[in-house]
Amino acid sequence: AQTVTQSQPEMSVQEAETVTLSCTYDTSESNYYLFWYKQPPSRQMILVIRQEAYKQQNATENRFSVNFQKAAKSFSLKISDSQLGDTAMYFCAFMKHDDDMRFGAGTRLTVKP
Amino acid sequence: SQTIHQWPATLVQPVGSPLSLECTVEGTSNPNLYWYRQAAGRGLQLLFYSVGIGQISSEVPQNLSASRPQDRQFILSSKKLLLSDSGFYLCAWSVLASGVGVTQYFGPGTRLTVL
Repeated sequence: AQTVTQSQPEMSVQEAETVTLSCTYDTSESNYYLFWYKQPPSRQMILVIRQEAYKQQNATENRFSVNFQKAAKSFSLKISDSQLGDTAMYFCAFMKHDDDMRFGAGTRLTVKP
Repeated sequence: SQTIHQWPATLVQPVGSPLSLECTVEGTSNPNLYWYRQAAGRGLQLLFYSVGIGQISSEVPQNLSASRPQDRQFILSSKKLLLSDSGFYLCAWSVLASGVGVTQYFGPGTRLTVL
């Protein structure tokens, strides 16, 4: 079974600085999807970024980018120019099949003014 | 564009009472639908998954059940709630799109407190 590990329960960053959230996963599959979701205090789960394992190029969405290391089974999220609105829980997720999305325990990120 | 609705937003129910949470999706056809539960300070646990009307897969044995009476409607139910059923329930949908792959999108959630 696939497992997802987020080793940083809490992190903080100063506004306008860069922060990296870690995620590792365990799988024997070669094709799969990886996601980062953001959950602000409203608790709405918002997709931040996604990565297909067959793509070597790291995904980027504006200030959000990932460092995907397939051999190391690592999928970190980098947030550049952090904003107060980035304060939220961030969940890393792994999916092989449509009915089998696995989430990490989450990292609580606080952006300080 | 696609929209997903959940209601109620919050619910407080006594132990042993029934439960019905509803989820509807707009702007798409034949979506895959999901029910997740999130305990306080934890990640998400998949409860049920549906690929079509009347087709439900259960991931975790429990006193909850799910139904899909219409293409874009997904209902989570219980005949008798337990204290352990308290949590935040999220509905999600996905559609395989050419060139995009499968991505799940979530509704606003329902906060359930069982007393």
